[in-house]
Amino acid sequence: GQNIDQPTEMTATEGAIVQINCTYQTSGFNGLFWYQQHAGEAPTFLSYNVLDGLEEKGRFSSFLSRSKGYSYLLLKELQMKDSASYLCAVRGLNSGNTPLVFGKGTRLSVIA
Amino acid sequence: EAGVAQSPRYKIIEKRQSVAFWCNPISGHATLYWYQQILGQGPKLLIQFQNNGVVDDSQLPKDRFSAERLKGVDSTLKIQPAKLEDSAVYLCASSSSRGTYEQYFGPGTRLTVT
Repeated sequence: GQNIDQPTEMTATEGAIVQINCTYQTSGFNGLFWYQQHAGEAPTFLSYNVLDGLEEKGRFSSFLSRSKGYSYLLLKELQMKDSASYLCAVRGLNSGNTPLVFGKGTRLSVIA
Repeated sequence: EAGVAQSPRYKIIEKRQSVAFWCNPISGHATLYWYQQILGQGPKLLIQFQNNGVVDDSQLPKDRFSAERLKGVDSTLKIQPAKLEDSAVYLCASSSSRGTYEQYFGPGTRLTVT
């Protein structure tokens, strides 16, 4: 089976740093994705990790540890517009176009 | 490049009625996915197409849901008859056959069954 866990809700202050954790158990592994989803909108791609380590992209960074089945998304210099749900998704089987399995998402509220 | 297109954006129907959703993927993307997203949850795969063939429909409730992608481009998803628990957002996504196989999502169709 496949199981992905992430916190349901988080709150952080504008200008601060927040880390959203994700743990997963899957049959095989071929990449972990983070998507951002604003209320009423489609998910948009943020980051992709397939090897262990940190991937940095502007204010957003994502980390992966395959041996621990663990990833986090780090958001720096938080802005009000970062208030959204953040979805962790894993491609479980060892092929490219295998569908993603999504966690339930973490709803982040950025407050002034 | 144009993104994934979906229509309609919103639909309200009564239970036991039928409904159909349409999706046009990004040009050149061979793989097309339909996901169901219930409020407060992550998207759940319903069906995956590779060109016009079905790759995975293991989570599609086949007694009431059907989908097709006849010419390997656009796709339709149908529900007949609808149940209250089908109220959700139906997301279409597409991906290319190279690179990270990143999935690009359409805006979704919000279905309300009353």
